[in-house]
Amino acid sequence: NAGVMQNPRHLVRRRGQEARLRCSPMKGHSHVYWYRQLPEEGLKFMVYLQKENIIDESGMPKERFSAEFPKEGPSILRIQQVVRGDSAAYFCASSPPSTGAVFFGEGSRLTVL
Amino acid sequence: KNEVEQSPQNLTAQEGEFITINCSYSVGISALHWLQQHPGGGIVSLFMLSSGKKKHGRLIATINIQEKHSSLHITASHPRDSAVYICAPGDSNYQLIWGAGTKLIIKP
Repeated sequence: NAGVMQNPRHLVRRRGQEARLRCSPMKGHSHVYWYRQLPEEGLKFMVYLQKENIIDESGMPKERFSAEFPKEGPSILRIQQVVRGDSAAYFCASSPPSTGAVFFGEGSRLTVL
Repeated sequence: KNEVEQSPQNLTAQEGEFITINCSYSVGISALHWLQQHPGGGIVSLFMLSSGKKKHGRLIATINIQEKHSSLHITASHPRDSAVYICAPGDSNYQLIWGAGTKLIIKP
């Protein structure tokens, strides 16, 4: 049973470009969470999704950031018109509906030049 | 005062030593996670606790809800245990408050 898979592991973008980060949850997991870790800081919750639904987006910046978890395929975290302050590690986690135990991916490191 | 306090912040020990990392929190929680973050940055979930004690291999985690305290123990420590260990209590399984982490170095 593969773990939570994130790609790309490293992404470099110039200011103003778009960044797309993908997360495939563990098999049987229908809940996906995205977190952001800024340099020298702990993780901050961004958004919680179930298939085709956003459950809690209280940690998402109001502009430029969006997330989806379609019926088929991975969850996508999309950052439009990236700025240098978006440089961070973005972690995805997933959990099954029953236990609530959360499993993390290896993270995607975004660098904005 | 931080909502989550971990101690020690840094710990260097010799291979084979018994390691204890402590976590105190001031918020109400439904569960507490212990996580491991390696130098490459990947995060591994070690435990999710809501009461009592859990054991997985050489790792043991305990929690005292009344005292708002949790501990992570590593028996027979090994250099590959070197990592940052993070305590993260939460009032849900995903709304976690992250501790500053304990940087553990195990020397051979």
